[in-house]
Amino acid sequence: KAGVTQTPRYLIKTRGQQVTLSCSPISGHRSVSWYQQTPGQGLQFLFEYFSETQRNKGNFPGRFSGRQFSNSRSEMNVSTLELGDSALYLCASSLDWPDTQYFGPGTRLTVL
Amino acid sequence: AQSVAQPEDQVNVAEGNPLTVKCTYSVSGNPYLFWYVQYPNRGLQFLLKYITGDNLVKGSYGFEAEFNKSQTSFHLKKPSALVSDSALYFCAVRDPSGGSYIPTFGRGTSLIVHP
Repeated sequence: KAGVTQTPRYLIKTRGQQVTLSCSPISGHRSVSWYQQTPGQGLQFLFEYFSETQRNKGNFPGRFSGRQFSNSRSEMNVSTLELGDSALYLCASSLDWPDTQYFGPGTRLTVL
Repeated sequence: AQSVAQPEDQVNVAEGNPLTVKCTYSVSGNPYLFWYVQYPNRGLQFLLKYITGDNLVKGSYGFEAEFNKSQTSFHLKKPSALVSDSALYFCAVRDPSGGSYIPTFGRGTSLIVHP
């Protein structure tokens, strides 16, 4: 089975712009979660989607949003980018929540 | 609130020697505990988990972990380290008592295995 895929792998944006990241889960997995990884804050949970509905949400501002499509693929959007949004954004999929999560390789976002 | 502590930023061990990466947790209910490994420029790979049952959990690549409720610990172990085990290791806890199961990760421990 193919693993979790994330596109793009690397992204450079400037402050004030917005960005959309994409995640394709493992086939058959319906739960998709997003995480932010930074040297300062470590790994932090952003949100989780299941059947196109956001079920769980972490403690991030409303600039961070997401959605899930009927094929379980998910996108994450960050609007009005700030320097502090520079991070590795990881997507994870599982059959359901809170089953074992399998992570993608991540998208490295750099905000200049 | 749940929390996870990995008290060592870095662990150094010689190849062939046993290794231990420490993790302690704090939750209000019965924890779900996980270990993940991260190689450079890669996502997290699942190693093992404890939800219920036998306190000794065996996982991928020869790793195992022991759940100790009285010490609130879930240390990762391997009898004989390999150079290829060098990576960043994360412990995570999910507290089912609140119903959300949102995971909290430790800060990570860098394992360096010397030839």
